Amino acid sequence: KAGVTQTPRYLIKTRGQQVTLSCSPISGHRSVSWYQQTPGQGLQFLFEYFSETQRNKGNFPGRFSGRQFSNSRSEMNVSTLELGDSALYLCASSQPGQSGETQYFGPGTRLLVL
Amino acid sequence: GNSVTQMEGPVTLSEEAFLTINCTYTATGYPSLFWYVQYPGEGLQLLLKATKADDKGSNKGFEATYRKETTSFHLEKGSVQVSDSAVYFCALSASDYKLSFGAGTTVTVRA
Repeated sequence: KAGVTQTPRYLIKTRGQQVTLSCSPISGHRSVSWYQQTPGQGLQFLFEYFSETQRNKGNFPGRFSGRQFSNSRSEMNVSTLELGDSALYLCASSQPGQSGETQYFGPGTRLLVL
Repeated sequence: GNSVTQMEGPVTLSEEAFLTINCTYTATGYPSLFWYVQYPGEGLQLLLKATKADDKGSNKGFEATYRKETTSFHLEKGSVQVSDSAVYFCALSASDYKLSFGAGTTVTVRA
């Protein structure tokens, strides 16, 4: 099976712009989660979607949003970018339904905000 | 809330040395526990997991045992190689559909 794919792999944006990142889960996986990784804060949970419904959300401002489509693909959007949004954004997918199931990660999208 | 505390790095070892990375957790209920590894410029790869007390996860010579009495999930490898140089993350998943990660431990193995 193909792994989790994320596009684009690298992005450079300027402050105030918005960005959309995409994630395609492993075939058959219906849960998709997003994480932000920075040197200062480590790995922080953004949100999780299952069957197009957000089941949990981390402690991030409303500028961070996401959605999931009927084919389980997911996107996350960051509006009004700030310098501090520079990070590696990781998407993970897991088998349907069960909390505690193993999450499999994609290679990430590295976002640089100038 | 749920949290993970893991040994601060960096850790530098010689090839064939024994590696231990300590990990303790705080969680309600009965979480699943994981170790992930991240190589430079890559995402996270699952190294091993355990889903209940006294379970031992193992993979590629790495082992960790789910100890409920000490709320720990320490990672061990008996003989490390240069290729084991990476950042290792301990994580837990409880009934909240997310992974809670430790801060990560950077391991460097010298030839």
